[in-house]
Amino acid sequence: EDKVVQSPLSLVVHEGDTVTLNCSYEVTNFRSLLWYKQEKKAPTFLFMLTSSGIEKKSGRLSSILDKKELSSILNITATQTGDSAIYLCAGGIQGAQKLVFGQGTRLTINP
Amino acid sequence: GAVVSQHPSRVICKSGTSVKIECRSLDFQATTMFWYRQFPKQSLMLMATSNEGSKATYEQGVEKDKFLINHASLTLSTLTVTSAHPEDSSFYICSARGNRAVQPQHFGDGTRLSIL
Repeated sequence: EDKVVQSPLSLVVHEGDTVTLNCSYEVTNFRSLLWYKQEKKAPTFLFMLTSSGIEKKSGRLSSILDKKELSSILNITATQTGDSAIYLCAGGIQGAQKLVFGQGTRLTINP
Repeated sequence: GAVVSQHPSRVICKSGTSVKIECRSLDFQATTMFWYRQFPKQSLMLMATSNEGSKATYEQGVEKDKFLINHASLTLSTLTVTSAHPEDSSFYICSARGNRAVQPQHFGDGTRLSIL
């Protein structure tokens, strides 16, 4: 059965701290690894990773995929209260185009 | 770009009512759309994959006759919860992806369904 596991499930830090969120996957016919940010409504897209070892960056956020370890990390530097959200990791399945979601990491940034 | 609109955002209705939720891709064509359900403090659970012009593919355990999906055009998919009961109360989210080989899914804002 396809599975995506995120850790930690919950994280509370102070504004300005750097955080690293982890995602490991066991997905048959793996195609891509995606990160989403979910606040009050539906998830917003952050990154899609298909190649191992190539870092993707967007402002203070960055992510990298390790296909050997079947894992990915999402880094957020100089965190702000607006970064508080649930961060979801998903494995994309080739062909079926489906996503298998992890349980999410609830990140809270305190001022 | 890649805007997905979902409507309505909130529905409150009586048990036994059927409820239709619309999902539209506003600025791209989506041959494939997806319907998810999310319980409080849980992750997204895929219910079905909706393909334009053909029958939806349902995940194991999802009742086809309960959750009717129609994908009539490249920009619109609908989910109808038939004869809804309180246990159907949940947050329903749709997503859509474009037609290129490797593309992310983009999500609508979700519909919070409450059945009294």
